[in-house]
Amino acid sequence: AQSVAQPEDQVNVAEGNPLTVKCTYSVSGNPYLFWYVQYPNRGLQFLLKYITGDNLVKGSYGFEAEFNKSQTSFHLKKPSALVSDSALYFCAVRENSGNTPLVFGKGTRLSVIA
Amino acid sequence: DTAVSQTPKYLVTQMGNDKSIKCEQNLGHDTMYWYKQDSKKFLKIMFSYNNKELIINETVPNRFSPKSPDKAHLNLHINSLELGDSAVYFCASRLTGDTGELFFGEGSRLTVL
Repeated sequence: AQSVAQPEDQVNVAEGNPLTVKCTYSVSGNPYLFWYVQYPNRGLQFLLKYITGDNLVKGSYGFEAEFNKSQTSFHLKKPSALVSDSALYFCAVRENSGNTPLVFGKGTRLSVIA
Repeated sequence: DTAVSQTPKYLVTQMGNDKSIKCEQNLGHDTMYWYKQDSKKFLKIMFSYNNKELIINETVPNRFSPKSPDKAHLNLHINSLELGDSAVYFCASRLTGDTGELFFGEGSRLTVL
């Protein structure tokens, strides 16, 4: 069975500083990995994904994530945080076969302080 | 030109009532999902339909009955509502076989009193 762990409930960072939101995953085959962001009272918005190829993927709003197969991790990063990045971030994984559903982590609340 | 639209956005009702939430996508996708987000923001898959056929049913009580009249629509009917059904329900869709992401609706917040 596939699963995702986001070890931090909350990440606080000062505006302008780099941010990292951690994610580790478990799947039996090769993973498809995703990051989504959720603003208050809104649906989930796609940020970026890893399917294959380059381990560093770049996404929306200046976010990037690094796939590390040996550590089964897919941490989300941004070089310089903005107050507007404050939101709930979800990591998700699914196996690269058939109609397996996307399984989400419990979410990490990012708070960027001015 | 909303990609995945859900109605209603808010629903407040009494225990024991029956209610429905509708979802429509105009992205040409053939797989649709219902996810439940509880008060702690956990997101859990409930159902998945592919071309109107149920393919995933994640041990959801049979008070919940999804229906897909065509591949662009997936509705959720809930009978005999309970307090624990209070949550935000998200519809999502994607193209089968694609490596692409899920597209989510804005959610339907159900409050059972």
